[in-house]
Amino acid sequence: AQSVTQLDSQVPVFEEAPVELRCNYSSSVSVYLFWYVQYPNQGLQLLLKYLSGSTLVKGINGFEAEFNKSQTSFHLRKPSVHISDTAEYFCAVAGMNSGGSNYKLTFGKGTLLTVNP
Amino acid sequence: AAGVIQSPRHLIKEKRETATLKCYPIPRHDTVYWYQQGPGQDPQFLISFYEKMQSDKGSIPDRFSAQQFSDYHSELNMSSLELGDSALYFCASSSSGQGGTEAFFGQGTRLTVV
Repeated sequence: AQSVTQLDSQVPVFEEAPVELRCNYSSSVSVYLFWYVQYPNQGLQLLLKYLSGSTLVKGINGFEAEFNKSQTSFHLRKPSVHISDTAEYFCAVAGMNSGGSNYKLTFGKGTLLTVNP
Repeated sequence: AAGVIQSPRHLIKEKRETATLKCYPIPRHDTVYWYQQGPGQDPQFLISFYEKMQSDKGSIPDRFSAQQFSDYHSELNMSSLELGDSALYFCASSSSGQGGTEAFFGQGTRLTVV
């Protein structure tokens, strides 16, 4: 089984400031890691994912995340945020297994990023 | 590119009624997942199907059932609806083959039970 902890439920920042949203996970098997963004009353949009290879992954809208296996972390970063980045951000993990359900996701509780002018 | 299609997008039901949510996966995807997201909550995994067979089960109430049909679309049937069933229900699909890299989500069905 997997679990995800998002350490901050809310992160307020000013426009053009850098931001880091923290995510730690727990799993007894190797994992795939994802960050999703959800705007109010909308669906889930994939920001980026780590499956294998380079531990630094770049996603859409200028976001990036670094997989740290020793610290079981997958923190999301953006060097300069915009008002339009205001949304709920979910970290999610899928445990690698054979057969189907390869991408069954366990989500964290979410972090509300609020970008203020 | 084709995406995951969910219908209806919005549904209002009364308590004790029945609801059916439909999900049409991306073509050639063999796995479907259902999630429930309550107000202000994270999405919770309900159930998944791989090649038309149930592959995993999460926190799905006994009042709910689901299946995947021969054309790979899936339906989530919810009976004896309760106020607490009001939520956003997401369907996602993925490919178990080597080309599969993630689960793709639909836009969700917002169910309101009154």
